Amino acid sequence: DVKVTQSSRYLVKRTGEKVFLECVQDMDHENMFWYRQDPGLGLRLIYFSYDVKMKEKGDIPEGYSVSREKKERFSLILESASTNQTSMYLCASSRNTEDTEAFFGQGTRLTVV
Amino acid sequence: QQPVQSPQAVILREGEDAVINCSSSKALYSVHWYRQKHGEAPVFLMILLKGGEQKGHEKISASFNEKKQQSSLYLTASQLSYSGTYFCGTPGDFNKFYFGSGTKLNVKP
Repeated sequence: DVKVTQSSRYLVKRTGEKVFLECVQDMDHENMFWYRQDPGLGLRLIYFSYDVKMKEKGDIPEGYSVSREKKERFSLILESASTNQTSMYLCASSRNTEDTEAFFGQGTRLTVV
Repeated sequence: QQPVQSPQAVILREGEDAVINCSSSKALYSVHWYRQKHGEAPVFLMILLKGGEQKGHEKISASFNEKKQQSSLYLTASQLSYSGTYFCGTPGDFNKFYFGSGTKLNVKP
């Protein structure tokens, strides 16, 4: 059974804290993604990685960074959490973006207080 | 590069039909469809490829007009289990992948 696992389902952090969201996949996929999901806005791409140590910015990278030191793990980092980063964060992985499906983690609901 | 979906929300009775549309401002190689039930991760439904090939869910039908850069998802004789939010997704530049804003479908008994 293929899996994308996110480290936390729910997280509460204080403003200004550095926050790490971890994502691990067991399918040997090259591509991994971080999306943010807010009501009415759908899934917005934050960052994308197509290989170890390779990353590309998505549509809303401000305030975020990422790390991919190993193929199976893709981390999203909030350098200094702010209340407007309160959201649902979804990690996904895929073999390619053209003709194969993406698999999602269960999501991390982050609340910044 | 986010695709545009319409309508934003649909309410149906069991057995009724619905169409969800997805359009892009750029030429598309493929369009992907996912469904997300409340509190769960999005789940793959199907991929429509340029040239007419389709991969995925046998019970759901969809179309892909390459020239118009549009796709439509057809939900016929809807069941309660069809309720959820439907997203279309399209490949972008440099292997990125973008999702639309979603269509919330509510099927009532």
